[in-house]
Amino acid sequence: GQNIDQPTEMTATEGAIVQINCTYQTSGFNGLFWYQQHAGEAPTFLSYNVLDGLEEKGRFSSFLSRSKGYSYLLLKELQMKDSASYLCAVRSLEGGAGSYQLTFGKGTKLSVIP
Amino acid sequence: DTAVSQTPKYLVTQMGNDKSIKCEQNLGHDTMYWYKQDSKKFLKIMFSYNNKELIINETVPNRFSPKSPDKAHLNLHINSLELGDSAVYFCASSQDIRFYEQYFGPGTRLTVT
Repeated sequence: GQNIDQPTEMTATEGAIVQINCTYQTSGFNGLFWYQQHAGEAPTFLSYNVLDGLEEKGRFSSFLSRSKGYSYLLLKELQMKDSASYLCAVRSLEGGAGSYQLTFGKGTKLSVIP
Repeated sequence: DTAVSQTPKYLVTQMGNDKSIKCEQNLGHDTMYWYKQDSKKFLKIMFSYNNKELIINETVPNRFSPKSPDKAHLNLHINSLELGDSAVYFCASSQDIRFYEQYFGPGTRLTVT
């Protein structure tokens, strides 16, 4: 089965840096995604990691360590509009037929304060 | 142009009724999905279609029946609605079955009374 853990809530100050962690336990790991979801809106894709290391995209970076079952999303120069839920999602490849599955964590609600 | 659209945006109905939610994508993607997000904001996949073929069918009551008339459309029909079906239902699409960079529709908030 799949088990994904993220903190439920975090608070950070405008202009600061925040790191949102995600740990997972899964068989057939085949990649990890981060999505942003503003209240009342649809999730939007932020990043994808399949190999160990850091992927940088503007103010957002995502890190993966497959051996530790660990990822984090790093948000720099926080802005008020970054207040949202951040969802970690793990893709796995199961069975001989190569069936992909995707499991979302419960999300981390980030509040950015002035 | 909207990439993934869903109708209706809100749906309020009584227990026992049958309802449908429609989804269309204009991205030329091969794969479409239905997700359910409950009141605790937990997002869970229900179905996935690739080129009109069902490839993921999670443990969902058989009251839920997806239909894909073509690869740009994936509709969700729900029979005999129950209180526990109240949730936000998101349609999504991606280039192929690998879930990479999914685009989500705006969601349909279903309330069963």
